[in-house]
Amino acid sequence: AQSVTQLGSHVSVSEGALVLLRCNYSSSVPPYLFWYVQYPNQGLQLLLKYTSAATLVKGINGFEAEFKKSETSFHLTKPSAHMSDAAEYFCAVSSGGGADGLTFGKGTHLIIQP
Amino acid sequence: DGGITQSPKYLFRKEGQNVTLSCEQNLNHDAMYWYRQDPGQGLRLIYYSQIVNDFQKGDIAEGYSVSREKKESFPLTVTSAQKNPTAFYLCASSIDPPNFNGYTFGSGTRLTVV
Repeated sequence: AQSVTQLGSHVSVSEGALVLLRCNYSSSVPPYLFWYVQYPNQGLQLLLKYTSAATLVKGINGFEAEFKKSETSFHLTKPSAHMSDAAEYFCAVSSGGGADGLTFGKGTHLIIQP
Repeated sequence: DGGITQSPKYLFRKEGQNVTLSCEQNLNHDAMYWYRQDPGQGLRLIYYSQIVNDFQKGDIAEGYSVSREKKESFPLTVTSAQKNPTAFYLCASSIDPPNFNGYTFGSGTRLTVV
């Protein structure tokens, strides 16, 4: 079985501040992990993915995430928030190299304060 | 460019009507998925299909039906049995393992009951 927990349905940061969105997963086998971003009334866009290569993964728009097996975490970070980062962010896990499809967290709404 | 096309972007349904949401992909992906998105509830899986002429119920299949007659197409019908159909509907596709690379999403259809 696989599951994802995203801590915080809403996260608010000031423009220029560090962005940290938390994701913890449960998987019985080594997981594949993904972060997606969704802007209003649009589909989900892949930000970055971990598929058992380097544990620090860099994605688009300056985001990165680190896979920590001991903590079963895959937190998303960005050093300096921009107003354009305001969106919904989803963490997702897949076990068995994709054989079980993707399980999504409930999402975190990122708010950027000017 | 390859991608997933959902149409229409906005759809209005009268009480008691069936409506069909279109999803077409030219990515040559084997698997296709339908999700429903409501505020604060994340993504909920309605149906998925891993090969042509075969599909499986997801977590909230009641009141919905699908078909998969072609690899490229996976239409979703929202029937009159779905009591609360107003939501944002997302279609996605993926390639099978061992080349699984996450899901590619369409831009969504917003369905409103009038």
